[in-house]
Amino acid sequence: GNSVTQMEGPVTLSEEAFLTINCTYTATGYPSLFWYVQYPGEGLQLLLKATKADDKGSNKGFEATYRKETTSFHLEKGSVQVSDSAVYFCALRPWAGNQFYFGTGTSLTVIP
Amino acid sequence: EPEVTQTPSHQVTQMGQEVILRCVPISNHLYFYWYRQILGQKVEFLVSFYNNEISEKSEIFDDQFSVERPDGSNFTLKIRSTKLEDSAMYFCASTLPPAEQYFGPGTRLTVT
Repeated sequence: GNSVTQMEGPVTLSEEAFLTINCTYTATGYPSLFWYVQYPGEGLQLLLKATKADDKGSNKGFEATYRKETTSFHLEKGSVQVSDSAVYFCALRPWAGNQFYFGTGTSLTVIP
Repeated sequence: EPEVTQTPSHQVTQMGQEVILRCVPISNHLYFYWYRQILGQKVEFLVSFYNNEISEKSEIFDDQFSVERPDGSNFTLKIRSTKLEDSAMYFCASTLPPAEQYFGPGTRLTVT
């Protein structure tokens, strides 16, 4: 079956710290992988995506590389800001079908 | 930028009552979805809708649930007789494949 496992939160970091949020997946075939972000009071917004192995998605200083050998799509940012405080969701879309499978979400709080 | 909207933002209802959650997808999108997130748990797929019919549904989407696109702009989720365990955040999403899904801000449903 298809599933996503995401590291437990909450995560609290100081401004300018390095961020890693781990995400691993189980899927048949070749899924597309996504990171969504949810700011307080808002909906899920696409942060970045990768559609095939070894692709790197990047946006707003965040990066994630699609690693088929380790079935992972870890989210990283070199220097977080207070404005990055949000909940981050890892998700996959299977090769066949349009529904998404989400992780539990990781809450990030960045303190000045 | 176009966005998915949902109303109401918060709905409180008594057990056994019917509720209708409303969504306005992005106007040129063709696929529509409902997801839910019980507090502290994963975002779970409920149903997808295309060409005026359900294209996929999960085991959560039982006979108590129904979806409708009554007028070409709204997309609704009806729960006929709510249970305590239906309390969750419900997200609507839409897409024009192969693009990613665009999510609304969610409706928090509280069943008392």
